[in-house]
Amino acid sequence: AQSVTQLDSQVPVFEEAPVELRCNYSSSVSVYLFWYVQYPNQGLQLLLKYLSGSTLVKGINGFEAEFNKSQTSFHLRKPSVHISDTAEYFCAVSGSYGQNFVFGPGTRLSVLP
Amino acid sequence: EADIYQTPRYLVIGTGKKITLECSQTMGHDKMYWYQQDPGMELHLIHYSYGVNSTEKGDLSSESTVSRIRTEHFPLTLESARPSHTSQYLCASSVLNYGYTFGSGTRLTVV
Repeated sequence: AQSVTQLDSQVPVFEEAPVELRCNYSSSVSVYLFWYVQYPNQGLQLLLKYLSGSTLVKGINGFEAEFNKSQTSFHLRKPSVHISDTAEYFCAVSGSYGQNFVFGPGTRLSVLP
Repeated sequence: EADIYQTPRYLVIGTGKKITLECSQTMGHDKMYWYQQDPGMELHLIHYSYGVNSTEKGDLSSESTVSRIRTEHFPLTLESARPSHTSQYLCASSVLNYGYTFGSGTRLTVV
């Protein structure tokens, strides 16, 4: 069985400051890892994903994440946030052998002026 | 350009009514999913399908039902809506496990 933990339910940060949203997972099999963003009253949009290869993954809107197998983490980072980055962010894991996705509980990022 | 479409976007309906939430995708994905999400809360998988004529219940028990008669179409039906069904319903599809594509969601309010 797989599980995902997002330790921070809310992260307030000032505009142009860096941000890191934390994600840890547990799985007994090889995994694929994902970050999704959800703006108010919208569906989820894929930010980035790790399937294999380089552990540093770059996504849309200037976000990046690093897969750390030894720490079972996949933290999301952005060096300078904008007001428009205010949204809910979900980390997700799926097994490479076909298991359904498991989503974390989400982290609400609030960018303050 | 959306590749997965959900209609309606918003629905307000009276208790006891039968409703069907539509979900269609144009990507030819075999796997499709329905999630229920209360505002600002987690996503809960309520139904999924791995192909035509294949449907399974998800982790969260739901009074809704689904059907998968065509690859591109995965409607969700509530036979008798109740206020407890008020929520946002998100449809998604995927090919293998390389990532989900989500629709914009249907926000359902039962009064």
